[in-house]
Amino acid sequence: KAGVTQTPRYLIKTRGQQVTLSCSPISGHRSVSWYQQTPGQGLQFLFEYFSETQRNKGNFPGRFSGRQFSNSRSEMNVSTLELGDSALYLCASSPGTRGNEQFFGPGTRLTVL
Amino acid sequence: QKEVEQDPGPLSVPEGAIVSLNCTYSNSAFQYFMWYRQYSRKGPELLMYTYSSGNKEDGRFTAQVDKSSKYISLFIRDSQPSDSATYLCAVLGSSASKIIFGSGTRLSIRP
Repeated sequence: KAGVTQTPRYLIKTRGQQVTLSCSPISGHRSVSWYQQTPGQGLQFLFEYFSETQRNKGNFPGRFSGRQFSNSRSEMNVSTLELGDSALYLCASSPGTRGNEQFFGPGTRLTVL
Repeated sequence: QKEVEQDPGPLSVPEGAIVSLNCTYSNSAFQYFMWYRQYSRKGPELLMYTYSSGNKEDGRFTAQVDKSSKYISLFIRDSQPSDSATYLCAVLGSSASKIIFGSGTRLSIRP
């Protein structure tokens, strides 16, 4: 089975721009979660989508949003980028039932200049 | 107080040594416990996944959960230079999907 894929792998943007990241989960998995990883804050949960609905949300501002499509692929969007948004953005794939393992993709490294 | 506490290290040990990595957590309601390994510039890789208290062994890796003391451990036997990575402990939160991570321990195995 193919693993979780994320595109693009690297991205450079300037302050004020917006960005869209994409995640394709493992085949058959219906849940996609997004995390932000920074040296200072570590790995922090952004939100989770299951069957095209946001099921859970972390403590991030409204500039961070996401969606999920009928084929379980997910996108996350960050609007009005700030320098502090520079991070590794990871998505994790899971079948979706409580207690299922989550498997991570390689991440998208976003740099905001 | 953070929900999951982990010593960031770095931890450096000689090849072949037994490595012990530890975390504590604050909420007794947590029931699923994980260890992830993350190499530089890669996504976290699930190493061990356990439910409730007890031990779980997989090759050179043993995960241990003590719910009475809210303590999670990972032991690596016969450590190899390829084990050099950051190890993240994690718990599954009260909702179905939110993983709460420790800050990670950087481990270096010296040849």
